[in-house]
Amino acid sequence: DVVMTQSPLSLPVTLGQPASISCRSSQSLIYSDGDTYLNWFQQRPGQSPRRLIYKVSNRDSGVPDRFSGSGSGTDFTLKISRVEAEDVGVYYCMEGTHWPPITFGQGTRLEIK
Amino acid sequence: EVQLLQSGGGLVQPGGSLRLSCAASGFTFTNYAMSWVRQAPGKGLEWVSAISGTGADTYYADSVKGRFTISRDNFKNTVYLQMHSLRAEDTAVYYCAKVEVTTIRAGFDYWGQGTLVTVSS
Repeated sequence: DVVMTQSPLSLPVTLGQPASISCRSSQSLIYSDGDTYLNWFQQRPGQSPRRLIYKVSNRDSGVPDRFSGSGSGTDFTLKISRVEAEDVGVYYCMEGTHWPPITFGQGTRLEIK
Repeated sequence: EVQLLQSGGGLVQPGGSLRLSCAASGFTFTNYAMSWVRQAPGKGLEWVSAISGTGADTYYADSVKGRFTISRDNFKNTVYLQMHSLRAEDTAVYYCAKVEVTTIRAGFDYWGQGTLVTVSS
């Protein structure tokens, strides 16, 4: 199975400052149809996961534009341009290219400094 | 509005059984695969099982294969996870999730509220 490795695992950020989370896969995530099935999820404390980004860089409806996704092949990044208090939580990358199974990264905990 | 309403969690002894349910609304249920994802206390997300829109195809993580069974009732718009031979390591919050499009590899666009399963004597 593909291994998804996130870094850092803990990310203290000052309000208003940018944040960046890396996700690396052990194999390329480019599927035979040309798409890359790499998603990002946010899980706020005590809540269910919520998808932020799908297929690397597409923001879900209602997701603030301070969130952006980028990358290709095996290296991907989630960026928050200016962190707000409501962004506290754990962020997960997820790959589906090598389905089955679906594989998640370990998660990155974002906290306010 | 898409809603996934889960029920059926609780405390069960090791070796016991439990059935989780997830009632869906707000979309054409038969058109979408559904899945279960779990999260052990203080841990990350782990994919558990998935089922195609018709119910003809089912998939399982190696950790639950042979013990868990996923099914769906397209008349009741409900997906189930029947869990047998439960172990302490199955203790987790279980989430029901809707697959985004027709292919499960696209991932999950909506999640249920989660239900806690505790396996302990």
